[in-house]
Amino acid sequence: DGGITQSPKYLFRKEGQNVTLSCEQNLNHDAMYWYRQDPGQGLRLIYYSQIVNDFQKGDIAEGYSVSREKKESFPLTVTSAQKNPTAFYLCASSMWQTNEKLFFGSGTQLSVL
Amino acid sequence: QQQVKQSPQSLIVQKGGISIINCAYENTAFDYFPWYQQFPGKGPALLIAIRPDVSEKKEGRFTISFNKSAKQFSLHIMDSQPGDSATYFCASTLGGAQKLVFGQGTRLTINP
Repeated sequence: DGGITQSPKYLFRKEGQNVTLSCEQNLNHDAMYWYRQDPGQGLRLIYYSQIVNDFQKGDIAEGYSVSREKKESFPLTVTSAQKNPTAFYLCASSMWQTNEKLFFGSGTQLSVL
Repeated sequence: QQQVKQSPQSLIVQKGGISIINCAYENTAFDYFPWYQQFPGKGPALLIAIRPDVSEKKEGRFTISFNKSAKQFSLHIMDSQPGDSATYFCASTLGGAQKLVFGQGTRLTINP
């Protein structure tokens, strides 16, 4: 099945700890995205990448970092600098040439211990 | 940042009724208006989308109505079913998915 796989489903972070969320896609899409979802606030863009080895900050990039070493993978690291990390994190991808349509993974719920 | 304002925040409809969710946007240059459907614990999925050259688009029980002069668009779900219970997000963009602006979401509950 083609799709986007996010792992883990649930993740807990201790104070001062960095955690990494995994996102893998087998849709052969060029572009990948990370969104943060908080209740009542919609989806906010953290980072996006249009090609391998290149990525751009979204609206709320502070306290987060990403890499794009392979077309299929776009991991997100939530650093200790992110003081309010509890949220539902969504990875998405799109075909570059018709890149308005987003395909989402099933998300990772991150909570602080 | 250009906003998309979505209402209501939550909506309860009886089975068989019509569900209506509204969105208002600010940027007159936006040229793509999708609606996404999200079930609990899952990622959103594209439900239906419209471009401003038409005033209405229908796919099965789902219809988007678009009013360019008022800068508003709405989702209508006809004959609403319990399986339609989900959170719905509207969005708008000009120039690609990386510029999508999402509404705040509407939690829809269809009572049997």
